[in-house]
Amino acid sequence: KNQVEQSPQSLIILEGKNCTLQCNYTVSPFSNLRWYKQDTGRGPVSLTIMTFSENTKSNGRYTATLDADTKQSSLHITASQLSDSASYICVVTPQGGGFKTIFGAGTRLFVKA
Amino acid sequence: DTGVSQDPRHKITKRGQNVTFRCDPISEHNRLYWYRQTLGQGPEFLTYFQNEAQLEKSRLLSDRFSAERPKGSFSTLEIQRTEQGDSAMYLCASSLNSNQPQHFGDGTRLSIL
Repeated sequence: KNQVEQSPQSLIILEGKNCTLQCNYTVSPFSNLRWYKQDTGRGPVSLTIMTFSENTKSNGRYTATLDADTKQSSLHITASQLSDSASYICVVTPQGGGFKTIFGAGTRLFVKA
Repeated sequence: DTGVSQDPRHKITKRGQNVTFRCDPISEHNRLYWYRQTLGQGPEFLTYFQNEAQLEKSRLLSDRFSAERPKGSFSTLEIQRTEQGDSAMYLCASSLNSNQPQHFGDGTRLSIL
């Protein structure tokens, strides 16, 4: 069964600190891997998208990495801000299955002042 | 704002009632998706439209659920004879094609009393 597992489930950090969120997946082959940010009560917003041939993608203070050999991705957040408090969801799309995206359960990040 | 819009944002109803939600996608997007999200989980796929054609339905979409996209633009999701287990956030997303990120609306939060 294709799965996307994220860790940790939740994380508390101090403002200004860096953090790294993990995503392990079993989807293979896959078309692309995306990271979304979801604020409480809002819909997810796309942060990064990587194909299987890419191993890093940045969007401001967010940097996603991908290791297709170990089927792992990470999202690194630099110099965290209070507004980074949200859920971060890893999403994998199987090859040839554009609508069959598989969502992880997300990591809930709390940034404290 | 030319993003995905959903209406209503919140719906509270008694068990057994019927409810209907509306989604207006980004105008040039021909792909439209419905998801259900419960607390602490990632979105779960419900159904997918390409233009007006409903191409896929999840087994989560019981016979009490029906979705339409009559003119290939807006879509509606109806739940008949609501049950308490239907309480969730219902998210709509649209995309230009299967390789582009899905743009999500802010969802309709359904609460069944």
